[in-house]
Amino acid sequence: DIQMTQSPSTLSASVGDRVTITCRASQSVSSWLAWYQQKPGKAPKLLIYKASILESGVPSRFSGSGSGTEFTLTISSLQPDDFAAYYCQQYDLSSPRSFGQGTKVEIK
Amino acid sequence: EVQLVESGGGLVQPGGSLRLSCEASGFRVSDKYMSWVRQAPGKGLEWISVIHLSGTTKYADSVKSRFTISRDTSKNMVFLQMKSLSAEDTAVYYCVKEGYSYGLTGFFDSWGQGTLVTVSS
Repeated sequence: DIQMTQSPSTLSASVGDRVTITCRASQSVSSWLAWYQQKPGKAPKLLIYKASILESGVPSRFSGSGSGTEFTLTISSLQPDDFAAYYCQQYDLSSPRSFGQGTKVEIK
Repeated sequence: EVQLVESGGGLVQPGGSLRLSCEASGFRVSDKYMSWVRQAPGKGLEWISVIHLSGTTKYADSVKSRFTISRDTSKNMVFLQMKSLSAEDTAVYYCVKEGYSYGLTGFFDSWGQGTLVTVSS
């Protein structure tokens, strides 16, 4: 099965900062990679799918890139509403769906 | 508007069983892949099961042979039957609708609010 590893596990940042989260797959998942945001006590929310396609309604400050085994989620200018946990998830046909362990974005 | 509402969670003793339900609205469960995802307290997300358009089912190794996903298209509902529960199954269980894009499904575009299952004596 494909293992997903995110880094860092925790990130401290300030409003206005550019933030990058990395997700690595143990084998290639092509572009079958999604990103989610989760706030405390709430269900996750889809941000990006197929590595770089922004879900409808998601602010354009979020962007995704990468293919194969290495992916990034970038927030171009961190806003107060963006302090949350972020998860990557692969959905390649070769393996069961799986998530990264998560990255918590905290206020610096 | 797509809506998913889970029910059936609660406190169950180790070794016990529980059946979770997910009522869908705004789409037909027969037209979408439907999954269950769980999250143990303070932990990350874990995909556990999917039911395909054809009715084919898949499971994570952690729940295989203990959990069964099913659907009732007449009621537009999805279910998760859980048996032989242990403390490791304590989690919030989310019913999720899978999105479809570029010929592939497998990402989760709509989530329910979740239902808490606590396994404890």
